[in-house]
Amino acid sequence: DAKTTQPNSMESNEEEPVHLPCNHSTISGTDYIHWYRQLPSQGPEYVIHGLTSNVNNRMASLAIAEDRKSSTLILHRATLRDAAVYYCILRELYNQGGKLIFGQGTELSVKP
Amino acid sequence: NAGVMQNPRHLVRRRGQEARLRCSPMKGHSHVYWYRQLPEEGLKFMVYLQKENIIDESGMPKERFSAEFPKEGPSILRIQQVVRGDSAAYFCASSPLATGTAARDTQYFGPGTRLTVL
Repeated sequence: DAKTTQPNSMESNEEEPVHLPCNHSTISGTDYIHWYRQLPSQGPEYVIHGLTSNVNNRMASLAIAEDRKSSTLILHRATLRDAAVYYCILRELYNQGGKLIFGQGTELSVKP
Repeated sequence: NAGVMQNPRHLVRRRGQEARLRCSPMKGHSHVYWYRQLPEEGLKFMVYLQKENIIDESGMPKERFSAEFPKEGPSILRIQQVVRGDSAAYFCASSPLATGTAARDTQYFGPGTRLTVL
């Protein structure tokens, strides 16, 4: 799986938008971009994924650069519950194994 | 629809004992993954199973670790003769993955089993 690069940590204020960046300069044309997060003392949970177009769901938005070498996870209004480690993961279209390869992620802290 | 269930949530073993970790996937999911998170480290893939088959065990330590997902019942991760270095959080995930769509599927994680080896 292609490598991703994320900042180790970020801070946000409650009720403000948060933009979490991810670089993936070696992405291939068939790699999907997935985001998971892990709240303290919990298992990871799926957030969102996309291929080329920007995506929105109830949790977040995913903005994908035109050249696909980077993406940004957007939390529109951070809450204290959003404090977690966020992982950006690339998944090959034809990866029959299906395993997720987690990097170090970005630890997001949210201040009241 | 109940989520992925893991038990026990906390397990304490002495060195040399066996640890058995159980994972019940979400209803309708026939694909199970195990991951390990060592203290202060990231999540690492261990093994991927379908019912009665091991599909990918490339992340499993060569000795003392085994996994199964029988036709009936939960998936089991078994660690024989535990050592202190096995102390970690073990997470199970399940998916309804259909072959060829791994890139689009979602994995649903359980709450984890925290193993402490004394």
